[in-house]
Amino acid sequence: EVQLVQSGAAVKKPGESLKISCKGSGYSFTNYWIGWVRQMPGKGLEWMGIIYPGDSDTRYSPSFQGQVAISADKSISATYLQWSSLKASDTAIYYCARLPHIVVLTNNLFGGYFDYWGQGTLVTVSS
Amino acid sequence: ELVLTQSPGTLSLSPGERATLSCRASQSVRSNYLAWYQQKPGQAPRLLIYGASSRATGIPERFSGSGSGTDFTLTISRLEPEDFVVYYCQQYGSSPQTFGQGTKVEIK
Repeated sequence: EVQLVQSGAAVKKPGESLKISCKGSGYSFTNYWIGWVRQMPGKGLEWMGIIYPGDSDTRYSPSFQGQVAISADKSISATYLQWSSLKASDTAIYYCARLPHIVVLTNNLFGGYFDYWGQGTLVTVSS
Repeated sequence: ELVLTQSPGTLSLSPGERATLSCRASQSVRSNYLAWYQQKPGQAPRLLIYGASSRATGIPERFSGSGSGTDFTLTISRLEPEDFVVYYCQQYGSSPQTFGQGTKVEIK
């Protein structure tokens, strides 16, 4: 059974750093891209970026480039989403999700839909 | 940026009725790269449809997707009690990939 299990909720202050995780199991972790999706309180979904754990190739949505960092550790089947300096506007639920197929887009970007999702990690940033 | 507009914002229907949800794109969605997701309260989204009309693994036959170009539809043939939740469309044919704002299906 394919599973993506995310780290627990985090409460941080503005300016602090944070790294949340997503661990995959039940499939060949290094052979599928993993993406991160943001859902702000009471709002819709936003595509942040994706990573290929096999070689850590990473592509960001233009809106999130430079705002977050996505990384992976294939030895433990984990991917990460990291902030160096959080803002109150980063308060949201963050989901990791697997992409079963990749579509090549313009500007050297990749895309796709998500077939399996993690349970979400609530990040609250408040002073 | 390709904008997806879902309508209606809220759809009020009774169990057993047919639901028709619309997702309209501001420009043509390349190769019909459009997916639909269902999200229940407090849960992650669940993939229903990809490629505009292909049902994902384990999704009941009452869910179907159709459309091409700029107009796409998710149809639920007969609403079950667990279907009264929020639905999102997503295009993955152009960057940035975008989601619609969602349609909530509520019990009338």
